[in-house]
Amino acid sequence: AQSVTQLDSQVPVFEEAPVELRCNYSSSVSVYLFWYVQYPNQGLQLLLKYLSGSTLVESINGFEAEFNKSQTSFHLRKPSVHISDTAEYFCAVTGRRALTFGSGTRLQVQP
Amino acid sequence: DGGITQSPKYLFRKEGQNVTLSCEQNLNHDAMYWYRQDPGQGLRLIYYSQIVNDFQKGDIAEGYSVSREKKESFPLTVTSAQKNPTAFYLCASSTSGTEQFFGPGTRLTVL
Repeated sequence: AQSVTQLDSQVPVFEEAPVELRCNYSSSVSVYLFWYVQYPNQGLQLLLKYLSGSTLVESINGFEAEFNKSQTSFHLRKPSVHISDTAEYFCAVTGRRALTFGSGTRLQVQP
Repeated sequence: DGGITQSPKYLFRKEGQNVTLSCEQNLNHDAMYWYRQDPGQGLRLIYYSQIVNDFQKGDIAEGYSVSREKKESFPLTVTSAQKNPTAFYLCASSTSGTEQFFGPGTRLTVL
């Protein structure tokens, strides 16, 4: 069975500072990995995904994540955050039936 | 526009009542999913359907029921057997078993 651990439930950060949201997974088979973002009272939006190929994947709004097979991690990073990045972020891994999600990390960007 | 719609956005239920949450997609996706979201717990899989007229229980199916009579529709009924139904419910769909696309969610409150 797959599992996902997001180590930080909340991450406060000042605007324009860098941020890293951590995600570790466990799986006995090859996986696909995803980061989703959720704004208050909305559904989840796909931020970026790793399916195969380059281990560094990027989103259109400056986020990036690196797949590290040896450390079973898929941490999300952004070099300079904006107030508008305040949201909840979920890491997910493909499972036998559906995606398995982490418990989420709330990113709070302060001015 | 292609996408997933959920209705209603907010739903109030009296104890002992059954309620049905609607989920419709026009993405021509074969697979559809229902998740429940509670604060600090991420998303938990209730039911999923890989094809019309077939569906499977997820991790927390007790007190819920679904049907999949049409490819586009996957309604979820929250029955009176569900002891703690107050939550945010998210519907999703996918085509290739990889990334899922989410609807905007329905917030159910038991009065």
